[in-house]
Amino acid sequence: NAGVMQNPRHLVRRRGQEARLRCSPMKGHSHVYWYRQLPEEGLKFMVYLQKENIIDESGMPKERFSAEFPKEGPSILRIQQVVRGDSAAYFCASSPPRGTYEQYFGPGTRLTVT
Amino acid sequence: AQSVTQLDSQVPVFEEAPVELRCNYSSSVSVYLFWYVQYPNQGLQLLLKYLSGSTLVKGINGFEAEFNKSQTSFHLRKPSVHISDTAEYFCAVNRPDNFNKFYFGSGTKLNVKP
Repeated sequence: NAGVMQNPRHLVRRRGQEARLRCSPMKGHSHVYWYRQLPEEGLKFMVYLQKENIIDESGMPKERFSAEFPKEGPSILRIQQVVRGDSAAYFCASSPPRGTYEQYFGPGTRLTVT
Repeated sequence: AQSVTQLDSQVPVFEEAPVELRCNYSSSVSVYLFWYVQYPNQGLQLLLKYLSGSTLVKGINGFEAEFNKSQTSFHLRKPSVHISDTAEYFCAVNRPDNFNKFYFGSGTKLNVKP
C-alpha cells in the first residue's frame, strides 16, 4: 500500500508566480490535511479537507492561499502571487473515513521563492 | 490554545548511549500526545502515542515515552541508540474534541555518532 504521495518534492518559483502543490492520500483515505513548516519551526496546521468539502481552514492565510480536494484526483494547495515568506516545507497528511487519532504524512514539498 | 515546546533543537549522542528528547506542552484542556520521526527525505512516521491509561507508552524501534501530567511533559527515551536512529523527532498534541488538528513542536534533530 503506497503511502501519501506529494509532488513535486522541490519547487522553485519567482516572486509573483503561482505554486501548485499536489497530494495523493493513501488508498482508502478520504481526509486530507495540509501543514506548513517554516525554517526552524514546527509544522503548523493549515487546512483540513474531505472529498469536495473544506472542513477547517482556520490555519490558512486569508489571502493568496486556497485548497481543494475534488471527487477525483489529488488534493491541491494553491498559492497565488508567491512571496519570499512563502518559502517553506508543505506537508500533506491523510486519514481514513472513520475517526482516528493518527495522520499519515507525505514526504513534503519544499517551496523556494526567489 | 495548545502549544508544544521542544527545548533541544539538536542532540548529539554516541552510538549505544541512552538518549532523552524533551517535550513540554501547554493546554487548558486534556490532550492526546504523539511523537513522530522524520528520516531524511521521508514523511513523518508515528513512533508512539498517549491517549489514556498507563503513562508509560512503548513505541516502535525501542522508543518509549512517559506522560507526566503535573509537569505537562512527554519526554521520549531510548536506552541504547543506533546510527539508524539519526533523524528529526517531532512532539505533537491534539484535542479529543478536535483531533483533526495537530499542534507540533519545532523538532529535535538526533545525531547518532559512531
